[in-house]
Amino acid sequence: NAGVTQTPKFRVLKTGQSMTLLCAQDMNHEYMYWYRQDPGMGLRLIHYSVGEGTTAKGEVPDGYNVSRLKKQNFLLGLESAAPSQTSVYFCASRDRGLNSGANVLTFGAGSRLTVL
Amino acid sequence: RKEVEQDPGPFNVPEGATVAFNCTYSNSASQSFFWYRQDCRKEPKLLMSVYSSGNEDGRFTAQLNRASQYISLLIRDSKLSDSATYLCVVNSGDTGGFKTIFGAGTRLFVKA
Repeated sequence: NAGVTQTPKFRVLKTGQSMTLLCAQDMNHEYMYWYRQDPGMGLRLIHYSVGEGTTAKGEVPDGYNVSRLKKQNFLLGLESAAPSQTSVYFCASRDRGLNSGANVLTFGAGSRLTVL
Repeated sequence: RKEVEQDPGPFNVPEGATVAFNCTYSNSASQSFFWYRQDCRKEPKLLMSVYSSGNEDGRFTAQLNRASQYISLLIRDSKLSDSATYLCVVNSGDTGGFKTIFGAGTRLFVKA
């Protein structure tokens, strides 16, 4: 079982360049999330999606865009990268529902982005 | 004030020790609670859910106090392999505004 797959795993960008991070899940989950993790800050939600064709802003959405054209994929875009976007990015997904099991997030392995 | 607060540690304990982590949350409408574990340079993984009645999984015991908005994790008989960062996680519902909030994590080092 692949679970949640993120590509690329590592990337170095120059300020002003653009790029897209891809998240793919094979669990038929409705909800998908993009987080960034910085030292001492914990995981902060960038954007999320509650279903195909829908997206919503999280805690730190500025400088990022997302798309969910297919249920299994959630793309995170940086149109003009800045050094402040140097971080580790995690994608996660979960099933719909209120029971405790459905609320569990499954994470991808992370994408390490450095912006010079 | 952060929505979910944890002692950042690090906690340095010898093998076999008992260690307790605490977590507080600010949203009284929060509905579900978890502890995740994150190894260095890896993704977070679910350690255990936290139920109102308290729950145990082997050497790990989780407690929830809704009145005090407080969550705890107790690890007994610590192993070297328990060295990791422990994340307190709080969910606030299942709507369009669904939020999963992570604490910044507590680092644990278990020494031989």
